[in-house]
Amino acid sequence: DADVTQTPRNRITKTGKRIMLECSQTKGHDRMYWYRQDPGLGLRLIYYSFDVKDINKGEISDGYSVSRQAQAKFSLSLESAIPNQTALYFCATSDSGTSGDQETQYFGPGTRLLVL
Amino acid sequence: AQTVTQSQPEMSVQEAETVTLSCTYDTSESDYYLFWYKQPPSRQMILVIRQEAYKQQNATENRFSVNFQKAAKSFSLKISDSQLGDAAMYFCAYRTYNAGNMLTFGGGTRLMVKP
Repeated sequence: DADVTQTPRNRITKTGKRIMLECSQTKGHDRMYWYRQDPGLGLRLIYYSFDVKDINKGEISDGYSVSRQAQAKFSLSLESAIPNQTALYFCATSDSGTSGDQETQYFGPGTRLLVL
Repeated sequence: AQTVTQSQPEMSVQEAETVTLSCTYDTSESDYYLFWYKQPPSRQMILVIRQEAYKQQNATENRFSVNFQKAAKSFSLKISDSQLGDAAMYFCAYRTYNAGNMLTFGGGTRLMVKP
């Protein structure tokens, strides 16, 4: 089973609709992230969370909100979707501990979102 | 702010040959981490290799190795004995040592492997 899962994998929605993308992880990591990927631009950070009570804006947070429901769950919401939010969205996790692997982020499979 | 640049949008290599993907970055930090991620057509982001800036020794993982030139702020990825399964987008990424675990990505290089 995958350590980081995202649902849905693909989604088509209309302008103005509210949509939620969900991320779950079984890696036991405390830190979680949401990224957006557009062609030719690599990945850009939307929001990140270091624990359940800690939420921080990333580089491109406008138009998005997040919720950290539990250590293992981190959801991304588009309150009123617009066409330029069409992109590939990735969730990632990392560990703040002393495992020696704490600097590495592990990614989910991505959600492809199309806003019409 | 840190920036990461991958100047080669596309590269191709013959199967079993060696290819090098380039990455440069701009930072005023002295401690940081660098990563190469692979993104095959499945879209999954897969960690290939990582390098700590305080280590002078270049990281290696099987057929993958890096040439880390700290003074030049260069971090290239060498793939030896290229295989068809290496065909993918490759992203270079930077992370500061202290702040936020935030990764800054380059724009990617598409690697094609010719049989």
